[in-house]
Amino acid sequence: QSALTQPASVSGSPGQSITISCTGSSSDIGYYDYVSWYQQHPGKAPILIIYDVNYRPSGVSNRFSGSKSGNMASLTISGLQAEDEAAYYCNSYTSGDIYVFGTGTELTVL
Amino acid sequence: EVQLVQSGAEVKKPGESLKISCKGSGNNFTKYWIGWVRQMPGKGLEWMGFIFFGDSNMRYSPSFQGQVTISADRSINTAYLQWSGLKASDTAMYFCASSLNGAKAWNFWGPGTLVTVSS
Repeated sequence: QSALTQPASVSGSPGQSITISCTGSSSDIGYYDYVSWYQQHPGKAPILIIYDVNYRPSGVSNRFSGSKSGNMASLTISGLQAEDEAAYYCNSYTSGDIYVFGTGTELTVL
Repeated sequence: EVQLVQSGAEVKKPGESLKISCKGSGNNFTKYWIGWVRQMPGKGLEWMGFIFFGDSNMRYSPSFQGQVTISADRSINTAYLQWSGLKASDTAMYFCASSLNGAKAWNFWGPGTLVTVSS
């Protein structure tokens, strides 16, 4: 099972919106609505910010939103803030009854 | 809410064996899956495998099948990740994470265990 494909880096200014893409296949993203997204600050454990494509866990800012079309999922962060600077990883359940992460995207807030 | 506490950092030599742990707190732990994730220095997250506390059913990612052993002791709410012959390339941070059975996202994470393998 190959890793899902994400851009290596994205950047944006405070207050702007950015979108991170996550491309998979018909065996994972394209088949299941089980895409989740994780935020990881340096030296810290990942934090779940989106599950089941577009649901936010309690306590996660509504500036984070998710979507999916075909084999691609997306994470949008609106109203960028300095604390959003982190690495972001998508994750999908797969037909092999296992999970696969994306390659990860470093977000820089300019 | 589940809290996961992981064992401390380890420094080992190539060829040595190692077992690290992930202890969960909270009720009804038998309803949870515990997964293990590797993060090599400066790299991304990789699923290694996961185990269901209810019946010890487990899955391994193909890249890690045969390379590690995942187990659990339900009596003490603890999951384990074990190596029988470490390599320098096993140097990484290892996270455990939990997922409620039926859910397909990992909502609680341990702080990680740093494993360093060096001669």
